[in-house]
Amino acid sequence: SAVISQKPSRDICQRGTSLTIQCQVDSQVTMMFWYRQQPGQSLTLIATANQGSEATYESGFVIDKFPISRPNLTFSTLTVSNMSPEDSSIYLCSAPVAGWNEQFFGPGTRLTVL
Amino acid sequence: AQSVTQLDSHVSVSEGTPVLLRCNYSSSYSPSLFWYVQHPNKGLQLLLKYTSAATLVKGINGFEAEFKKSETSFHLTKPSAHMSDAAEYFCVVSDPSGTYKYIFGTGTRLKVLA
Repeated sequence: SAVISQKPSRDICQRGTSLTIQCQVDSQVTMMFWYRQQPGQSLTLIATANQGSEATYESGFVIDKFPISRPNLTFSTLTVSNMSPEDSSIYLCSAPVAGWNEQFFGPGTRLTVL
Repeated sequence: AQSVTQLDSHVSVSEGTPVLLRCNYSSSYSPSLFWYVQHPNKGLQLLLKYTSAATLVKGINGFEAEFKKSETSFHLTKPSAHMSDAAEYFCVVSDPSGTYKYIFGTGTRLKVLA
């Protein structure tokens, strides 16, 4: 299996600022995913982050708003830029691990934008 | 294109009675299917997964699900509900073509009455 950690676990931010969320996996993984879970909603995939290439964004999400870095096979960051209250959500990262036919999820980062 | 539909947004059962959470999927391929649970203010936990082996899948905490290709269903059941089962449940379909992308259902909130 895999253990995935995220930092910060929660934050309260002011409108117009940016927050970078870190995701660390305890083993090397090819793909990492970032999801958004808006209040009372399901999870929506933001983007797929592969090491050594630019992230692939899903419809409705753009790099300027959610820039992603993937510097190595165990780490990724998601930045939520120029935040507005509508960005208040839980952001989760996940990764499929070789040999396991499933994704493992981090605990999430609960973001509140005032 | 793949999709998953959770037929009930809310389900209420009495403690000790059976639980049935319904999920239908649409997939061009032979899918991988999952059920995750999310307790309030907690992370996602995998209950069980179907990956083209046995059609009746047993998971943790007494839950099980049956893959029925003819009905394109993957309903989650438990013989006897416990108060601790109260949570949000997500049915997920995964792209088996190698991208490992998950598509989440909209979720079913299970309420267990004393």
